Amino acid sequence: DADVTQTPRNRITKTGKRIMLECSQTKGHDRMYWYRQDPGLGLRLIYYSFDVKDINKGEISDGYSVSRQAQAKFSLSLESAIPNQTALYFCATSDPRLTGTQDRRSTDTQYFGPGTRLTVL
Amino acid sequence: DAKTTQPPSMDCAEGRAANLPCNHSTISGNEYVYWYRQIHSQGPQYIIHGLKNNETNEMASLIITEDRKSSTLILPHATLRDTAVYYCIVRIYGGATNKLIFGTGTLLAVQP
Repeated sequence: DADVTQTPRNRITKTGKRIMLECSQTKGHDRMYWYRQDPGLGLRLIYYSFDVKDINKGEISDGYSVSRQAQAKFSLSLESAIPNQTALYFCATSDPRLTGTQDRRSTDTQYFGPGTRLTVL
Repeated sequence: DAKTTQPPSMDCAEGRAANLPCNHSTISGNEYVYWYRQIHSQGPQYIIHGLKNNETNEMASLIITEDRKSSTLILPHATLRDTAVYYCIVRIYGGATNKLIFGTGTLLAVQP
């Protein structure tokens, strides 16, 4: 989805280096998320933010930190990268506003960016 | 969030309807059924979601059984570009994290 962009798209780094992955969105959504994907394991939630002043840990936050600089920007940092952090990283956004019919009144559908492929040597 | 069960892979001929099943026998009354797909290493793409009624949009149709224990995603006229991994997810709206729990999904291969 072009409304959610991630930079860089690919990055190779060495063990111990500090890395920042950035996510920007033009959808006007308050909620943003960071996931990682490993082969055979699906996507797992790292951190999420429901608004600029709200930051929450997901299921695998150890070794990561985040910064919500503005509604449109959510950055993920690896303070000291290690090889098992090699993965695909995805940012997502969502909007919990009510819509439509009874069954569809709650969407909060998440929309994903194109991903960052990170390799830690 | 309820767990889902999907076949690991399916084939479909180009131009034919693709019917992707999903079992979610432990789904609770306030859990929605969501479908996403992921085309090789790209970001997951939202397709459709529903609670108990069947739903249709420009991409697909979602058929949910009356007991809500299973559902079927229908791509009415599959094309080669529909080759992807399709994820069926159930989740509660408004839960503590709003997180999506992705399983291993179904790899749909559309054949020419």
